[in-house]
Amino acid sequence: DQQVKQNSPSLSVQEGRISILNCDYTNSMFDYFLWYKKYPAEGPTFLISISSIKDKNEDGRFTVFLNKSAKHLSLHIVPSQPGDSAVYFCAASSNAGGTSYGKLTFGQGTILTVHP
Amino acid sequence: DTAVSQTPKYLVTQMGNDKSIKCEQNLGHDTMYWYKQDSKKFLKIMFSYNNKELIINETVPNRFSPKSPDKAHLNLLINSLELGDSAVYFCASSLLQGSHSPLHFGNGTRLTVT
Repeated sequence: DQQVKQNSPSLSVQEGRISILNCDYTNSMFDYFLWYKKYPAEGPTFLISISSIKDKNEDGRFTVFLNKSAKHLSLHIVPSQPGDSAVYFCAASSNAGGTSYGKLTFGQGTILTVHP
Repeated sequence: DTAVSQTPKYLVTQMGNDKSIKCEQNLGHDTMYWYKQDSKKFLKIMFSYNNKELIINETVPNRFSPKSPDKAHLNLLINSLELGDSAVYFCASSLLQGSHSPLHFGNGTRLTVT
């Protein structure tokens, strides 16, 4: 029962072009979404987040879009750089009470490769 | 000046053994977590502690025992190790729990049970 899914295991783009990473979720209680970036042999690092009251959040080259009706979010990286090559994880959380409080549910990640 | 550090980085052991993984954070965060990355690469929460108090226990077998001596440390003891316990275990911390504070992860411990 995977509530957060990243259906593309990998993505390859040319340096300078746009990278678009996608994520779908099924739990309508999720109200906060995050993207993490992970290099080999390191832990994930926080990249950008978005609350469910917004449909877009931008931070430099990174923009996250949220489509609540479709239960879909995407991360756009423009322009892509070779240093962006990493695994990108989508994650979701709910501030509802009970055992879900503060818990992050992750997707399985998408490997992004940016070619020079 | 590592923010979240966990040891060891690699752990190879035989079935039936007991092993522990240590985690420390120097960020002054109130909440610490253990996540497990399984063979399908999903990161799944196991436990979270807030100021030494257990908040989340995600139906993890009783063989897994988290211990938080203070809010800067969260250790994980695994008893009677099984082949299926092989995975990468990540410790993490966040400033607040439930407030959408981003998690800060350690670099992971790769556990291999033979």
